[in-house]
Amino acid sequence: SQTIHQWPATLVQPVGSPLSLECTVEGTSNPNLYWYRQAAGRGLQLLFYSVGIGQISSEVPQNLSASRPQDRQFILSSKKLLLSDSGFYLCAWGAGGRPYNEQFFGPGTRLTVL
Amino acid sequence: DAKTTQPNSMESNEEEPVHLPCNHSTISGTDYIHWYRQLPSQGPEYVIHGLTSNVNNRMASLAIAEDRKSSTLILHRATLRDAAVYYCILRGLTVTGNQFYFGTGTSLTVIP
Repeated sequence: SQTIHQWPATLVQPVGSPLSLECTVEGTSNPNLYWYRQAAGRGLQLLFYSVGIGQISSEVPQNLSASRPQDRQFILSSKKLLLSDSGFYLCAWGAGGRPYNEQFFGPGTRLTVL
Repeated sequence: DAKTTQPNSMESNEEEPVHLPCNHSTISGTDYIHWYRQLPSQGPEYVIHGLTSNVNNRMASLAIAEDRKSSTLILHRATLRDAAVYYCILRGLTVTGNQFYFGTGTSLTVIP
């Protein structure tokens, strides 16, 4: 069966520090991968998605970036965190190609920027 | 993807049925209707999806209007564990990355 991992589970970082969040998927190949952010009390905002290694699409211009160095690895990064980057970060995967395909979400990383 | 409209919040008594509405008046003929829910401090989880016909699974039922401009997620007997935010999302054939765009959803409170 497929599983999705995210780490760390929680993170507290000072403003201006770098960020690296990692997501890995097991039990499937060539998944579509997604990063979402949820600010406190808000809905989910799609940040990035990837349909293959090295292919990244950005949904929202900001100080975050994403990379996909391996088929089942998706990384979210920042060189300098802002207070507004605080939130609940969720990685998801889905089988590509069909609009009825589900997305499966990881456990999330709760980031607090102080 | 076309836009959906849901009530911000709803309440239900435990063990009563719950009908969660979703309006999608600009839906296209090839858009699938998906429902996800998000429990507190967790990622969303898939509930159900459909295209034209009503659908049933172990979690819920999805009733789709004949003109497809609205749909209703039905929880047959609400439990305390069903307290969550429920999202109604449309997905179409032209979405290359198959990405989802979540709205603000409906926050369901289940009263014991």
